[in-house]
Amino acid sequence: EVQLVQSGAEVKKPGESLKISCKGSGYSFTSYWIGWVRQMPGKGLEWMGIIYPGDSDTRYSPSFQGQVTISADKSISTAYLQWSSLKASDTAMYYCARTYSSNEPFDYWGQGTLVTVSS
Amino acid sequence: DIQLTQSPSFLSASVGDRVTITCRASQGISSYLAWYQQKPGKAPKLLIYAASTLQSGVPSRFSGSGSGTEFTLTISSLQPEDFATYYCQQLNSYPFTFGPGTKVDIK
Repeated sequence: EVQLVQSGAEVKKPGESLKISCKGSGYSFTSYWIGWVRQMPGKGLEWMGIIYPGDSDTRYSPSFQGQVTISADKSISTAYLQWSSLKASDTAMYYCARTYSSNEPFDYWGQGTLVTVSS
Repeated sequence: DIQLTQSPSFLSASVGDRVTITCRASQGISSYLAWYQQKPGKAPKLLIYAASTLQSGVPSRFSGSGSGTEFTLTISSLQPEDFATYYCQQLNSYPFTFGPGTKVDIK
């Protein structure tokens, strides 16, 4: 069974760093892209970027380039989304999802990680 | 970036109704369009890809059509479990933007 299991909810202060994770199982992790999607409270879905764990090829949305870093450790079938300095505006639910090809839709999604940034 | 608009933003419908949601792209995207359903507190679920191909396990009352810049998602007979928010996504060029969503509510 294909599963993407994300790390738990986080509460952080502005300026702190954070790395959240997404562990894949039930499929060949290095053969699928993993993408990250932001959903701010009460708002729609925003495509942040995507990584191919097989060779770490990564693409970012211009809106998120330089704001976050997407990475993957194929040895443990895990993708990451990280911030070096959080802002209150980073408060959102973050979903990881997989796709077979970079221009195909996300067919399996993680359960989401809620990140709350507040002083 | 390719911009997507959806109409309507909100619709109120009854069980058994035929519902149509439109997604328009700011430039041609061939058939590189997907539709997702999201229920409150849940991750999105893929319904349709390549504009008109039903994802495995999705009921046949859902259908998609269109190409180029205009696309539609149709629910032929709305069921209680279909009350949700629906998003389109273009997969033609980076970044793979989503539409703003259409919330389908109970009349």
